[in-house]
Amino acid sequence: GDSVTQMEGPVTLSEEAFLTINCTYTATGYPSLFWYVQYPGEGLQLLLKATKADDKGSNKGFEATYRKETTSFHLEKGSVQVSDSAVYFCALSRFLSGGYNKLIFGAGTRLAVHP
Amino acid sequence: DVKVTQSSRYLVKRTGEKVFLECVQDMDHENMFWYRQDPGLGLRLIYFSYDVKMKEKGDIPEGYSVSREKKERFSLILESASTNQTSMYLCASGVAGANNEQFFGPGTRLTVL
Repeated sequence: GDSVTQMEGPVTLSEEAFLTINCTYTATGYPSLFWYVQYPGEGLQLLLKATKADDKGSNKGFEATYRKETTSFHLEKGSVQVSDSAVYFCALSRFLSGGYNKLIFGAGTRLAVHP
Repeated sequence: DVKVTQSSRYLVKRTGEKVFLECVQDMDHENMFWYRQDPGLGLRLIYFSYDVKMKEKGDIPEGYSVSREKKERFSLILESASTNQTSMYLCASGVAGANNEQFFGPGTRLTVL
């Protein structure tokens, strides 16, 4: 079945460091791919998405490119801030025949950024 | 902005109690979802609903039931709470379609003693 694998955390960085969080997926066909972020004490919110191969999603300085050949969707940011400290979830979306979509999430990666 | 609200942020119940978790969304979304979030496991889908009075089992439905009597409201029911149901419960809503995101509520942290 479909699955998403993320690098284990926590990831600890100093402010202005470069960030990569790896995400790979297993799925048939061409799922849409998402990164969600969960700030402390809050629910998840969409960070970025890509709906087809070679698409690049971007938001708030974060980027991720849908790589079908490596089945990956790695999250990157050139210069992290303390405010980026959160848990990041990679997910894929499977559209089902009943007209609804199902999200399959990775385990999440906690990022801690220190001044 | 889309808003998804959940009835409680924190809840403490005793083993065997019947527990109701309520979720309301204000964007007229067809689809609503209940997930549980556990460390190291990410989010796992319990149940979802694609229309009023319609429901589908997710990946871990055992010990749970749901109710959707109105489009904006989706309830998760623990018929007889057990300690292994201690978790964070997240509700989400969204428009049908694989490219469409889901919008999440703030979560309910349930502790079953």
